[in-house]
Amino acid sequence: DQQVKQNSPSLSVQEGRISILNCDYTNSMFDYFLWYKKYPAEGPTFLISISSIKDKNEDGRFTVFLNKSAKHLSLHIVPSQPGDSAVYFCAASGSGGGADGLTFGKGTHLIIQP
Amino acid sequence: DSGVTQTPKHLITATGQRVTLRCSPRSGDLSVYWYQQSLDQGLQFLIQYYNGEERAKGNILERFSAQQFPDLHSELNLSSLELGDSALYFCASSVAFGAGGLGEQFFGPGTRLTVL
Repeated sequence: DQQVKQNSPSLSVQEGRISILNCDYTNSMFDYFLWYKKYPAEGPTFLISISSIKDKNEDGRFTVFLNKSAKHLSLHIVPSQPGDSAVYFCAASGSGGGADGLTFGKGTHLIIQP
Repeated sequence: DSGVTQTPKHLITATGQRVTLRCSPRSGDLSVYWYQQSLDQGLQFLIQYYNGEERAKGNILERFSAQQFPDLHSELNLSSLELGDSALYFCASSVAFGAGGLGEQFFGPGTRLTVL
């Protein structure tokens, strides 16, 4: 049973436009959410996180939105750049503040078109 | 470079064998996590150690075990290997929890295990 779902295996966006990656979760005990980016032959790299007490967190070009009632979060990248082409993983954690085992989605491959 | 190192980078072995994967966390990080990434299952949490003690267990098989040593490096032992154990194994580390820490985990480059 997949507790974290990324329903789009891939997404193609033009350079300079907004990229929106979506993630749904089913476990209401999750209270900390993270986004990771992964290039081939490398480990995942932390991008941005959000606690369940917030509904938005921004860091430069990256913004994560959390809708707890819908159990949905999204990552917005504005503007999209060629270096953003990678696989993006949504991850969730329980009450350990994110410092326990993460439950990952299967990832969305983002392709930025020039 | 995340600061987390993993050795070896690649490992090829036969069914029934036993292997050990090694991880050195970032300097100052007390928590070490192990994850398995296979083609069909995605990234799955296996086990977490904090300052030498097991703290959380995920989908880790009984044939697998781990430990964290006093110098905080960790080893993941996989025994009686099966074809289905072929995967990428990632180690991650974090400072800890609380004290205002965000708990984000920093991943190593992974060990690719191939079981023939």
